[in-house]
Amino acid sequence: SYELTQPPSVSLSPGQTANITCSGDKLGDKYACWYQQKPGQSPVLVIYQDSKRPSGIPERFSGSNSGNTATLTISGTQAMDEADYYCQAWDSSTYVFGTGTKVTVL
Amino acid sequence: QVQLQESGPGLVKPSQTLSLTCTVSGGSISSGSYYWSWIRQPAGKGLEWIGRIYTSGSSNYNPSLKSRVTISIDTSKNQFSLKMSSVTAADTAVYYCARDPISSGSTYYFDYWGQGTLVTVSS
Repeated sequence: SYELTQPPSVSLSPGQTANITCSGDKLGDKYACWYQQKPGQSPVLVIYQDSKRPSGIPERFSGSNSGNTATLTISGTQAMDEADYYCQAWDSSTYVFGTGTKVTVL
Repeated sequence: QVQLQESGPGLVKPSQTLSLTCTVSGGSISSGSYYWSWIRQPAGKGLEWIGRIYTSGSSNYNPSLKSRVTISIDTSKNQFSLKMSSVTAADTAVYYCARDPISSGSTYYFDYWGQGTLVTVSS
């Protein structure tokens, strides 16, 4: 079955740029999306179709996808961005989620 | 504004069947523009897609759960439901329902999620 691998954690200071990677075989040939999940809350879509932002998502969230890696970039990270982030793609008629990355803003 | 709300028993005994319903408000489940999915998340762990259904009743399931899962849809009530048989403690999780807007280009994602409901499997 298809797998998407993310780093378990990323730590950074406010104002820095976070790059969260999601690796999967030929992921660049598929569309990737990203969700933000804060403790006790449902996931929220922050990027879809590799790089599109849903209405209401701040411009500091951006995405890219090429080769075997999709990347979620948070520019000028704020304390409110501290959360778990999951990538997701579609493969063989199945939605596949990444392993998740905990972003800590120190 | 579309809202999804899960409902069902919070406690299920081992070997029994877990049953949950997702009620959709603010939009019609039979519009034909969406897939409707169930997703779960064990405490402290990641997200796992369970399966989805379309307005017509056509469904897809995660191969790892397919033998135990049935998803159905009731357009008259604007609801879709999940049944999972022969549950064990490993099925203890928060269960979410979610919507996937159908679009061209093989892009699949969830734009609206329910708040989630915790189901514990225990005797």
